[in-house]
Amino acid sequence: DQQVKQNSPSLSVQEGRISILNCDYTNSMFDYFLWYKKYPAEGPTFLISISSIKDKNEDGRFTVFLNKSAKHLSLHIVPSQPGDSAVYFCAASAYSQGAQKLVFGQGTRLTINP
Amino acid sequence: EAGVVQSPRYKIIEKKQPVAFWCNPISGHNTLYWYLQNLGQGPELLIRYENEEAVDDSQLPKDRFSAERLKGVDSTLKIQPAELGDSAVYLCASSTRQGRTGELFFGEGSRLTVL
Repeated sequence: DQQVKQNSPSLSVQEGRISILNCDYTNSMFDYFLWYKKYPAEGPTFLISISSIKDKNEDGRFTVFLNKSAKHLSLHIVPSQPGDSAVYFCAASAYSQGAQKLVFGQGTRLTINP
Repeated sequence: EAGVVQSPRYKIIEKKQPVAFWCNPISGHNTLYWYLQNLGQGPELLIRYENEEAVDDSQLPKDRFSAERLKGVDSTLKIQPAELGDSAVYLCASSTRQGRTGELFFGEGSRLTVL
């Protein structure tokens, strides 16, 4: 059972436009949601997170929106830049056995076209 | 500050051979994770350590996989014998126990190819 789903394997966006990446989850016990970015041959790196008690968190060009009733979150990147081309993983976190346990989605490959 | 270091970066072996991966977490990070990432998928947790104790190994296939973190710092993940389906990237990550948000710091991964 996939608790965190990213239904779009890939997304192509023109440079300067907005990129919107989507993620759905099923477990209402998740209390933090995170986005990780991964370049080829590198490990994932943390990008931005949001607590389940908030509905929006913004950091520069990156904004994450959380809709708890729909169990849906999205990452907005505006304006999109060529360096944003990467695979983006949505992850959801729940506290278990003394630490946060992360569950990842399958990833969305974002390509920013010049 | 040095990041999470993993070795080897790449390993090619024949099926039924053993293989081991090594991870050195960020200094001061008590929590260490091993994740498996199959092609086109997100990372999946294999095992989590709090210092030297394995506190979550429910997803580790214990018939062929083993892990250790003897002194609560470096960790080794071993597969013996390897099967074709074990071809994947093995990611190590670390975090502090104070990191309640779930932010993990990942290494570059060890890519295993089993022939």
